[in-house]
Amino acid sequence: SQTIHQWPATLVQPVGSPLSLECTVEGTSNPNLYWYRQAAGRGLQLLFYSVGIGQISSEVPQNLSASRPQDRQFILSSKKLLLSDSGFYLCAWSTPGHSNQPQHFGDGTRLSIL
Amino acid sequence: KQEVTQIPAALSVPEGENLVLNCSFTDSAIYNLQWFRQDPGKGLTSLLLIQSSQREQTSGRLNASLDKSSGRSTLYIAASQPGDSATYLCAVQGGYQKVTFGTGTKLQVIP
Repeated sequence: SQTIHQWPATLVQPVGSPLSLECTVEGTSNPNLYWYRQAAGRGLQLLFYSVGIGQISSEVPQNLSASRPQDRQFILSSKKLLLSDSGFYLCAWSTPGHSNQPQHFGDGTRLSIL
Repeated sequence: KQEVTQIPAALSVPEGENLVLNCSFTDSAIYNLQWFRQDPGKGLTSLLLIQSSQREQTSGRLNASLDKSSGRSTLYIAASQPGDSATYLCAVQGGYQKVTFGTGTKLQVIP
């Protein structure tokens, strides 16, 4: 069966520090991968999605970037964190080529910027 | 651009009551609609998935309906329990597997 892992679960970082959140998927090949953010009092917003290694699409302009160095690995990064980067970050995967297939979510990373 | 609205934003009910959560979306060209549960500080738990060709799905005390033409979905919870307290999210999936979430309904079931 397929599983998705995100880490860390919780992270507290100072303003201006770098960030790296990792997401890996097991039990499937060439999944579509997604990063979402849930800011306080707001809904989940799609940040990035990837349909293959090295292929990243950004949905909103921001201080963050994403990379996919391996088929089942998706990384969310920042060189210098802002206070506004605080939030709950969720990674998700889906079966490619089937628009009616749902996305499956990880347990999330709660990021607090001080 | 797809927009998803959930009403009410918050709901408090006594234990045992039946309740309905509402979700509406502006673009009816969807592939599926999913209801999730989110506990505080946790990830998303998928409750029910309704494909665009379906009208409803049931799982235990939960029943979700979909009226794609009018852009509406409801989540019915029967005989609510304190353990049902959580935020419930509605999400619609359109082309290129893009998912748009509603802002959620925060449910509190009072013992």
